[in-house]
Amino acid sequence: GAGVSQSPRYKVAKRGQDVALRCDPISGHVSLFWYQQALGQGPEFLTYFQNEAQLDKSGLPSDRFFAERPEGSVSTLKIQRTQQEDSAVYLCASSPSRTDYEQYFGPGTRLTVT
Amino acid sequence: DAKTTQPPSMDCAEGRAANLPCNHSTISGNEYVYWYRQIHSQGPQYIIHGLKNNETNEMASLIITEDRKSSTLILPHATLRDTAVYYCIPTGANTGFQKLVFGTGTRLLVSP
Repeated sequence: GAGVSQSPRYKVAKRGQDVALRCDPISGHVSLFWYQQALGQGPEFLTYFQNEAQLDKSGLPSDRFFAERPEGSVSTLKIQRTQQEDSAVYLCASSPSRTDYEQYFGPGTRLTVT
Repeated sequence: DAKTTQPPSMDCAEGRAANLPCNHSTISGNEYVYWYRQIHSQGPQYIIHGLKNNETNEMASLIITEDRKSSTLILPHATLRDTAVYYCIPTGANTGFQKLVFGTGTRLLVSP
């Protein structure tokens, strides 16, 4: 079956621009996560959705970062007024239930802010 | 969350077993140990997990010491496609949801 997909795969933004990154999770998966991965580092948690409810956003680095999942399926991570330090790979993952640590990751969106 | 220590890099010859160690001495009694790997330019991929007993699946085996302070992921016959960064992740207890806390992992290079 189809896995987690993310678009775009690559995004170049000028400093100060807004960007929107899309995640299509596996159909029927309750949980959806966003992670940020800087070059040479492991992924770091940003935010978590259970269906349409955003239950944890403790990892979002600033109020320029905003995520939504309005119908409990597709999710969008928006970054306003991008800064160079936002350059990273943004990974989306989904899992079937709230209690399962086996997560299915998408290929990520590589964001470069110039 | 328990802290982990993994060697930054390891080498393995194709066809040989790759044994990847992880120290997680502060793990609590109800925390599982999960292993993920990340092949270059891809998202992380689940491999295996365990609590106390050794586990085996089609990808790998997981050996957990009796005191649970360390574990070893075993790839019995490594192939070039197993070249990746491998992450050992103790899962947080009672967080209410399944946030994964990645470290820096072990970069495994499988050579011909």
